[in-house]
Amino acid sequence: GENVEQHPSTLSVQEGDSAVIKCTYSDSASNYFPWYKQELGKRPQLIIDIRSNVGEKKDQRIAVTLNKTAKHFSLHITETQPEDSAVYFCAASKSAGNQFYFGTGTSLTVIP
Amino acid sequence: EPEVTQTPSHQVTQMGQEVILRCVPISNHLYFYWYRQILGQKVEFLVSFYNNEISEKSEIFDDQFSVERPDGSNFTLKIRSTKLEDSAMYFCASARTSGRDEQYFGPGTRLTVT
Repeated sequence: GENVEQHPSTLSVQEGDSAVIKCTYSDSASNYFPWYKQELGKRPQLIIDIRSNVGEKKDQRIAVTLNKTAKHFSLHITETQPEDSAVYFCAASKSAGNQFYFGTGTSLTVIP
Repeated sequence: EPEVTQTPSHQVTQMGQEVILRCVPISNHLYFYWYRQILGQKVEFLVSFYNNEISEKSEIFDDQFSVERPDGSNFTLKIRSTKLEDSAMYFCASARTSGRDEQYFGPGTRLTVT
C-alpha cells in the first residue's frame, strides 16, 4: 500500500516569512495530491491540490510542487499570517482507488 | 456552499455499547467515506462506499464496523461493542468522483468510550 511521510511535524515562523512543508510517497501509482488545513476543532479543508501531470500549482500565497521522479511534493506558504496557524496534512490518492493516504500532519505556528 | 454535516458532534458511550454516527453528504456526490483521527495522530481511512456497497476498506474496518446508506441522504457508521481504543474523531467525507477528486469533510464526531 501507499505510505506518506510528512516533515516537519512542527514549524514556527515569523509573520511575513515563508513556510515549507514536505511530503514523500511510496507508490508510483499515486497521482492526486491534496493538501488540507485543519484548524483546532474544525474539519479538514482543502487548500490546494495537484495532479501528477502538473509540476507546480499556485493559488495566491500558496503553492504546491510535485516531483514525480523523486516521489515528493511540497507546500509553500509565502507572506505567512497568524491566521495561517493550523495543522496541515498532505495526502496521496490513486485514480483507481478511493482512499486518501494522509501524512502525519504539520503544526504550523505563525508568530505575530 | 453545500457542506457535509455530521451528528452528533460529541458522543460518549460505555465500553461494549453500540454507537451509530450519522452523516449527510453533499447531495450530488456519489462517493462516501469514513475516516478516523485518534488525538494527535494522522487521519486514517476506514471505508469508502459507492453505489450502495463498500468499494474499499482498511484493516481497521473489521467486523466491529458497518456502514449503511439507509435513505437517499444519510450515511451511517455503526460501531458494535465499542472499545476504549475506538475513542477518536470520526470524519465523514464525500466526493463527486473517486480517486482524483476533492473529498469534502464533515466537522467530525468526537467519540469517547469510557
